Amino acid sequence: ILNVEQSPQSLHVQEGDSTNFTCSFPSSNFYALHWYRWETAKSPEALFVMTLNGDEKKKGRISATLNTKEGYSYLYIKGSQPEDSATYLCAFNSNYQLIWGAGTKLIIKP
Amino acid sequence: SQTIHQWPATLVQPVGSPLSLECTVEGTSNPNLYWYRQAAGRGLQLLFYSVGIGQISSEVPQNLSASRPQDRQFILSSKKLLLSDSGFYLCAWSVGQGSPYEQYFGPGTRLTVT
Repeated sequence: ILNVEQSPQSLHVQEGDSTNFTCSFPSSNFYALHWYRWETAKSPEALFVMTLNGDEKKKGRISATLNTKEGYSYLYIKGSQPEDSATYLCAFNSNYQLIWGAGTKLIIKP
Repeated sequence: SQTIHQWPATLVQPVGSPLSLECTVEGTSNPNLYWYRQAAGRGLQLLFYSVGIGQISSEVPQNLSASRPQDRQFILSSKKLLLSDSGFYLCAWSVGQGSPYEQYFGPGTRLTVT
């Protein structure tokens, strides 16, 4: 059974602070690793898709890294803002489907 | 551009009643289609996926079923709802060929079974 783990489950961060969280996934049969951002009462939105070991992607204050050999990815948020509050999901792309982690719920305290 | 519609947005149904949730995609052809559920406090669970008309794969045993009567229409049904069917249901689509791919989600349906 393929398993994707995300930690921590939830995170409270002071506005302006930087933070990061982890996604662990199987290191075999790897096609891609996806990060999604899911705000309350909205649909999940794609942030990044990474395919190569050592990939780094950046979008504004948010960036992600990928290590396929050891099976983990980090998501970093620099200078957290209230609008960053959301659940961040990672998904392991194996063949034709995505296997999802349970998410990290990020709450930014003003 | 592609859009995905899901309805209804919210639904309250008694135990034992039937269910029908509908999802349609516009602006693309032959998409892969998915039904997910998020139960309270948990991650996304894939319920069904479809790679073409009439082709449905089920990921977990349950009292739900799915159908794809048209290329861009995906329906989630139940004959008799259980309390455990409560949750947030999301429909998603992805391009039909190739990997990796992104999935694009509809607005979701919040189902409460009472």
